[in-house]
Amino acid sequence: SQTIHQWPATLVQPVGSPLSLECTVEGTSNPNLYWYRQAAGRGLQLLFYSVGIGQISSEVPQNLSASRPQDRQFILSSKKLLLSDSGFYLCASGHYEQFFGPGTRLTVL
Amino acid sequence: KQEVTQIPAALSVPEGENLVLNCSFTDSAIYNLQWFRQDPGKGLTSLLLIQSSQREQTSGRLNASLDKSSGRSTLYIAASQPGDSATYLCAATMIYNQGGKLIFGQGTELSVKP
Repeated sequence: SQTIHQWPATLVQPVGSPLSLECTVEGTSNPNLYWYRQAAGRGLQLLFYSVGIGQISSEVPQNLSASRPQDRQFILSSKKLLLSDSGFYLCASGHYEQFFGPGTRLTVL
Repeated sequence: KQEVTQIPAALSVPEGENLVLNCSFTDSAIYNLQWFRQDPGKGLTSLLLIQSSQREQTSGRLNASLDKSSGRSTLYIAASQPGDSATYLCAATMIYNQGGKLIFGQGTELSVKP
């Protein structure tokens, strides 16, 4: 079965600072990869998905970006964080059955 | 546009009770439906996946059903235990969505009291 790793687990960043969250996947090849955000008390919102290396689709307009430099590596970035970027970020892997990583808790102050 | 709804938002039951969690959706063009469990501060654990051609799936004390005609899925938990306390999320993948994107409900927070 797949294992999804995410780091860091927790991050506190000032407004305007850059961001880089990393996700790597084991136990599968050529997966679809996804970044979701879960704001406090709310459901999961799909931010980006990728069906292959270098292929990124954005679901919502925002100041975040994603990249997929390798088959099983997915990175979420920002050049300047906003307060509204705070949340719990989850990486997922799969095709029509998705498996999730442990998440990164981001607090922007 | 697909909308997935879970009612109730929270549920508290005594240990040992059988219970049903509900998930409804507005568009029946579902490819599959997935149930997840989320413990506080943790990622999601996949519990059951029901393909559109199936009506139910079982894993241990869990049974999930899918009725596309009525726009409903249920997760049945038998003989509930305090360890079942968590938030349960359902999510649908649509036939017409590229990339297998999941559309989530808001979740039901379950508390099982000893």
